[in-house]
Amino acid sequence: DAGVTQSPTHLIKTRGQQVTLRCSPKSGHDTVSWYQQALGQGPQFIFQYYEEEERQRGNFPDRFSGHQFPNYSSELNVNALLLGDSALYLCASSYRDRDYEQYFGPGTRLTVT
Amino acid sequence: AQTVTQSQPEMSVQEAETVTLSCTYDTSESDYYLFWYKQPPSRQMILVIRQEAYKQQNATENRFSVNFQKAAKSFSLKISDSQLGDAAMYFCAYRNYGQNFVFGPGTRLSVLP
Repeated sequence: DAGVTQSPTHLIKTRGQQVTLRCSPKSGHDTVSWYQQALGQGPQFIFQYYEEEERQRGNFPDRFSGHQFPNYSSELNVNALLLGDSALYLCASSYRDRDYEQYFGPGTRLTVT
Repeated sequence: AQTVTQSQPEMSVQEAETVTLSCTYDTSESDYYLFWYKQPPSRQMILVIRQEAYKQQNATENRFSVNFQKAAKSFSLKISDSQLGDAAMYFCAYRNYGQNFVFGPGTRLSVLP
């Protein structure tokens, strides 16, 4: 039973570029949440997807967008990258009716130069 | 807005000894969940223990236990018989029903042989 997987592991982008990060949830899970973890800080909630729709959103600008596919996998897109977007991006999956039990992936380390 | 505070940026403990990590939170809600997550250098967040606010009994998971003081809004983690593998960042997190997770800034735990 595969856990939550994320790709790529590491990514380096230039300011102004766009990036797409990918997440496959744990088998059976239908809800995906994304978090940004800046160096030395705790994760901050970006948004959550269920039934292919954004259900909740944290305090992040519209440059951050996402998508969920029918197989429950998800993408996080960030446009017009800023230096401050450099962080570890974590994906977490859960069952919709038990979304207090979140399983995290290993994250994608994004560096913006 | 809910906030989570961890006042100890770093802690150290001798192998086989006991250590307590502190966490306080701010909320006006009466029903919620509290969590401790461990993040080793591999970066993957691992759930250590969960407490439901309506339960008076403190949660325990093997060597890990919590001291939940609802009135004081305090949620400390005790690690008994510390092992080298316990070395990691530990994050306290809060979640209200139907809302997203709020994480504290973390405590870095070192285990000395």
